[in-house]
Amino acid sequence: SYELTQPPSVSVSPGQTASITCSGDKLGDKYACWYQQKPGQSPVLVIYQDSKRPSGIPERFSGSNSGNTATLTISGTQAMDEADYYCQAWDSSSFVFGTGTKVTVL
Amino acid sequence: QVQLVQSGAEVKKPGASVKVSCKASGYTFTSYGISWVRQAPGQGLEWMGWISAYNGNTNYAQKLQGRVTMTTDTSTSTAYMELRSLRSDDTAVYYCARDSGGAWDNWGQGTLVTVSS
Repeated sequence: SYELTQPPSVSVSPGQTASITCSGDKLGDKYACWYQQKPGQSPVLVIYQDSKRPSGIPERFSGSNSGNTATLTISGTQAMDEADYYCQAWDSSSFVFGTGTKVTVL
Repeated sequence: QVQLVQSGAEVKKPGASVKVSCKASGYTFTSYGISWVRQAPGQGLEWMGWISAYNGNTNYAQKLQGRVTMTTDTSTSTAYMELRSLRSDDTAVYYCARDSGGAWDNWGQGTLVTVSS
């Protein structure tokens, strides 16, 4: 079965840039989405179709996808961005989530 | 505004079944699919399956084939997910989400299902 691998944790200082990777075989040939989940809350879509932002998502969130890696970048990270982040893609008639990354804003 | 409101928490014994509802409002129900996702305590997200609210077509995760059934009632704009033969490792928060072309842009508040003897 298809697997998407993310780093378990990423730490970033306020105002700096956080990059979260998502690795999977030929992931660049598929569309990747990214979800933010804060403790006790439902996930929120922050990036779809590799790099598009839903309405209401701040411009500091951006995405890219090429080769075997999709990347979520948070520029000018704020304390409110501290959360778990999951990538997601579609493969062989099944949706797959990444393993999740906890972003800590120090 | 788009809202997905799920039914309340459930406690079930092993071997029992659970049926979770997800009532949609604020959009044309039949124009989108609904996916179901679950999250065990302290764990990541797991996709369970998808149903078209337009024609009822379904696509279930291989892991749950034979134990899960997803349905919709277009007269009430409600989606349902039934899971049978519950085990302790089915204890999780279950979410419904509106599928907008493979991206889930609106989520329900989640339903905690606890399986315990």
